[in-house]
Amino acid sequence: GAVVSQHPSWVICKSGTSVKIECRSLDFQATTMFWYRQFPKQSLMLMATSNEGSKATYEQGVEKDKFLINHASLTLSTLTVTSAHPEDSSFYICSARLFGLAGGPSYEQYFGPGTRLTVT
Amino acid sequence: GENVEQHPSTLSVQEGDSAVIKCTYSDSASNYFPWYKQELGKRPQLIIDIRSNVGEKKDQRIAVTLNKTAKHFSLHITETQPEDSAVYFCAASINNAGNMLTFGGGTRLMVKP
Repeated sequence: GAVVSQHPSWVICKSGTSVKIECRSLDFQATTMFWYRQFPKQSLMLMATSNEGSKATYEQGVEKDKFLINHASLTLSTLTVTSAHPEDSSFYICSARLFGLAGGPSYEQYFGPGTRLTVT
Repeated sequence: GENVEQHPSTLSVQEGDSAVIKCTYSDSASNYFPWYKQELGKRPQLIIDIRSNVGEKKDQRIAVTLNKTAKHFSLHITETQPEDSAVYFCAASINNAGNMLTFGGGTRLMVKP
């Protein structure tokens, strides 16, 4: 259980185009999902918290108009990188928080396999 | 906000030896401390976690200790094996409605056969 998938696993796009990345919780409902960015040999940096049915909460320094997040259902959140530039090339990883046995949020977060974005 | 420091950044041990990775956190309200293992190009995998009401937790060769007073926690791997080689991340969070994880900088562990 607690499987998170991401699609695509890798994408190459031209500068100026937009790219959409999907994050799905396959066997559980996730009211909250998180989007991270990871540069080579570096740690995971939280970009935004995605809440089902409401606007995402962005971390300081993350442009909300450039990184559009939509959490339309309890199992799907999408990240759209708009007008991508080479400096947006990175490894993007989502995670989802599992509801606990009592119906409330648990502590654990489960990560998707990541999407490697290369902007040429 | 929370700040998590992790040391060392790289660690090389001989197979069979123990490895210890240490993290400190800044926010005394943090109450959940997971450890993740990430292999190259793969997703972070939760390997063990500890909550603030516990001082130590063990799972086979892996253990985590927490000192709330000093605000530091450590990962201990005994009898290391080559397949333990990976990057390990500690993290801290407050289990409220946000539950955001703040990650340490990571430790690259290399286990030499």
